[in-house]
Amino acid sequence: DQQVKQNSPSLSVQEGRISILNCDYTNSMFDYFLWYKKYPAEGPTFLISISSIKDKNEDGRFTVFLNKSAKHLSLHIVPSQPGDSAVYFCAARYGNKLVFGAGTILRVKS
Amino acid sequence: DGGITQSPKYLFRKEGQNVTLSCEQNLNHDAMYWYRQDPGQGLRLIYYSQIVNDFQKGDIAEGYSVSREKKESFPLTVTSAQKNPTAFYLCASSPVGLSSGANVLTFGAGSRLTVL
Repeated sequence: DQQVKQNSPSLSVQEGRISILNCDYTNSMFDYFLWYKKYPAEGPTFLISISSIKDKNEDGRFTVFLNKSAKHLSLHIVPSQPGDSAVYFCAARYGNKLVFGAGTILRVKS
Repeated sequence: DGGITQSPKYLFRKEGQNVTLSCEQNLNHDAMYWYRQDPGQGLRLIYYSQIVNDFQKGDIAEGYSVSREKKESFPLTVTSAQKNPTAFYLCASSPVGLSSGANVLTFGAGSRLTVL
């Protein structure tokens, strides 16, 4: 039972344009959401997060939006850079656990 | 520099053998976690520990065992009972447990286990 879903396995974007990565969840008890970035053969690194009581959080080029009624969150990267090419994981906290989505491969073309 | 060290980075095992993956952190974090990553799937929680000498099963604990004798160390043993052990294993830590207020996990670089 996948409680956190990233329905797009991959996304290709031109350098300088906006990248939008999407994530859907089913468990309304999730109280905190995070995005992680992962390069091949490395561990994921934390990117940005949002509490369930907010609908937007911004950090430089990265903005996360949360729509609780739709159980949907998205990560916007503006402008996209070639160094942003990586796998992006959405994660949600419930109790003692972080539940992760399957990841979306982002390719930023120069 | 503080961080999490996982070793070995690559490991090959014959079927029927147990293998232990090492995870050491110098972040002074109380909580530690083991995740498994398979292609096309999210990270799945194997075991976690919120404090020394205590640990709980995650979602896919069968065929695995852990110990937490020291705060900085959380080794994972993949036993011969694990039916499909080939995967990328990630260790993580947080200052306190997630239910105690921690929001973010810090991950190690991972260990890739291949069963021949």
